[in-house]
Amino acid sequence: DAGVIQSPRHEVTEMGQEVTLRCKPISGHDYLFWYRQTMMRGLELLIYFNNNVPIDDSGMPEDRFSAKMPNASFSTLKIQPSEPRDSAVYFCASSLYHIQGRSMNTEAFFGQGTRLTVV
Amino acid sequence: AQTVTQSQPEMSVQEAETVTLSCTYDTSESDYYLFWYKQPPSRQMILVIRQEAYKQQNATENRFSVNFQKAAKSFSLKISDSQLGDAAMYFCAYRSEYGNKLVFGAGTILRVKS
Repeated sequence: DAGVIQSPRHEVTEMGQEVTLRCKPISGHDYLFWYRQTMMRGLELLIYFNNNVPIDDSGMPEDRFSAKMPNASFSTLKIQPSEPRDSAVYFCASSLYHIQGRSMNTEAFFGQGTRLTVV
Repeated sequence: AQTVTQSQPEMSVQEAETVTLSCTYDTSESDYYLFWYKQPPSRQMILVIRQEAYKQQNATENRFSVNFQKAAKSFSLKISDSQLGDAAMYFCAYRSEYGNKLVFGAGTILRVKS
């Protein structure tokens, strides 16, 4: 498996522009997460999906942020309009909730992230 | 809400020596999972080791082992025979049994000296 694939790897955009980040989770995984990493706030969970349905979006900072998962193999995180304070690395991760006896496979696999710079 | 604290912003270790990274967490739950992730300069997040809270035995993966103290809510990572490739940011993370999201600590930068 190719792992979690994110695109683009780097994005530089001007303030006010719309930005769309893309993620392809590992095939068969039923959970998908979007995280943001900054020096000031570390790794923050923005939103996560289970079977393509948003479960918890309490980490989405503002209405300018939106995320969709139209099918099991694709998700987007959109920022409109973008602001300089949105500059960060955005990670997508996926996992499979699978019970084997008492143990659950809960490991999250991360993509390589998208470094977003808003100027 | 659960919180994860890594009190060491930065640590250094000599190549081939042993280093321990600290992590404490706060939770009212009895069943949960703990993880250590490594983030090298490539920024890829790599799972190093995981621990189920119901297991008393400490997890071990080759040169990496944990000291899990449930009562103290402590979850430290020991790296033995440190190698240059171990240099990275290390994150401790918590996952509830009843949810699926990871809560991360602030991270510890590990530098390995040759």
